[in-house]
Amino acid sequence: DAGVTQSPTHLIKTRGQQVTLRCSPKSGHDTVSWYQQALGQGPQFIFQYYEEEERQRGNFPDRFSGHQFPNYSSELNVNALLLGDSALYLCASSPIPGQGEETQYFGPGTRLLVL
Amino acid sequence: GQQLNQSPQSMFIQEGEDVSMNCTSSSIFNTWLWYKQDPGEGPVLLIALYKAGELTSNGRLTAQFGITRKDSFLNISASIPSDVGIYFCAGQRYNQGGKLIFGQGTELSVKP
Repeated sequence: DAGVTQSPTHLIKTRGQQVTLRCSPKSGHDTVSWYQQALGQGPQFIFQYYEEEERQRGNFPDRFSGHQFPNYSSELNVNALLLGDSALYLCASSPIPGQGEETQYFGPGTRLLVL
Repeated sequence: GQQLNQSPQSMFIQEGEDVSMNCTSSSIFNTWLWYKQDPGEGPVLLIALYKAGELTSNGRLTAQFGITRKDSFLNISASIPSDVGIYFCAGQRYNQGGKLIFGQGTELSVKP
């Protein structure tokens, strides 16, 4: 049973560039959430996707956008990268909302470095 | 920003000792979760709590959902070297969909 997978594992970009990160949820899950984790901090919620729509959004600017595909996989896009966007980006998946426990399971993350 | 206060921030213990850490909030949560994160990896779920007062164990780990819904604690008994890592609490509210709010983490180091 495959868990949550993310790609790439590491990425280096320069300021002003754009980046796309990818996530495949755990088998049987159709909800995907994205988090940003700065060094030494706990993860911060960016947004959640369910049924190909953004269901909930955290306090992140519009430069952060996402997409969910019919197979439940998801992408996180960040435009006009800033140095402060350097972080570990985590994807988490959970079962269909409202059907009991929505415990989120995390992938290994993508480490983004902006120079 | 963070809304959960997790303590202690770090701790050094002898192998075999018991460990306690806790998480508090100024507001109510409907779900409390405890995760462990190793360097360069994503958080791994340890225990999930869904009811106030609930006490749940997972091997040497025991966690409780505070009766006020504003706190939770995690105990690790008879610590071993592989317990090293960063432990995070996370809370979730029904009216905020899938958003998890995390504590700042407790870094655990074990002396052999």
